[in-house]
Amino acid sequence: QSVLTQPPSASGTPGQRVTISCSGSSSNIGNNYVYWYQQLPGTAPKLLIYRDNQRPSGVPDRFSGSKSGTSASLAISGLRSEDEADYYCAAWDDSLSGVVFGGGTKLTVL
Amino acid sequence: EVQLVQSGAEVKKPGESLKISCKGSRDSFTSYWIGWVRQMPGKGLEWMGVIYPGDSHTKYSPSVQGHVTISADKSTSTAYLQWSSLKASDTAMYYCANSDSSSSAWFDPWGQGTLVTVSS
Repeated sequence: QSVLTQPPSASGTPGQRVTISCSGSSSNIGNNYVYWYQQLPGTAPKLLIYRDNQRPSGVPDRFSGSKSGTSASLAISGLRSEDEADYYCAAWDDSLSGVVFGGGTKLTVL
Repeated sequence: EVQLVQSGAEVKKPGESLKISCKGSRDSFTSYWIGWVRQMPGKGLEWMGVIYPGDSHTKYSPSVQGHVTISADKSTSTAYLQWSSLKASDTAMYYCANSDSSSSAWFDPWGQGTLVTVSS
C-alpha cells in the first residue's frame, strides 16, 4: 500500500486530455513539493514535472502539473501514442523522513 | 550533460554479498546528492536512501536501513549500493539518480538501472 494514492490505470484516445490524480496527506503533498515521473516500457524513470507544476527543459507543454491541498494532478493534453507509459507521483514525507511514491498509473492510449 | 552510468546485471545466491555502482560526471559529482530507488518486478518505485558524495552524509529509508549500505568515492565519481547478505526479496531493478537535497523527491537524471536477481 503506497503512501500516495494513484489510480492504477488511465486511458484515452489520441488527441484527448487525460488527468492522473495523486492523493496524499499534510505530511507529504500538503507541505512539500510534488514531482511526477514518466517510465516508458523497459526504461528508467524520467522527471516530468518538478515543484508541483514546473517542466524541465525538453518536456512538452502538453504535460502540466497542479496541486491543491493534499492532492495533486498530472494532465496530459493532445494525447499521443508515445505517451503510453507508467506515471508516478512523489513527494517528501515529513513524518516518515523519506521520499514517498505513488503506486503508479499505467496510461494506455487506445 | 550530467549522466549516471550503472554497473551491469548481477545474478547471486541468497546469503552472498554484492556491491553495485553508479558512476557520475567528475565535474558535477560532488554538487548533488545521489539517491537509490528500488523497483521490484512488476511493481512501483521505492526510495531507499541518498548520499552526498562531498562528505558521504547518508540518509536511509527505515525499510532498508541495516540491510544495505550506501557509499561513495569522490576520487572515482562513483556511488555504491551494497549488501552483505542478499535475500530472494532483494530481486529488483535498482536505479541511481541525482537529487538536489537529502529531503527532496527531485531525481534527475537517472541511471539506466542495474537488475539484481537473487535465486538459489
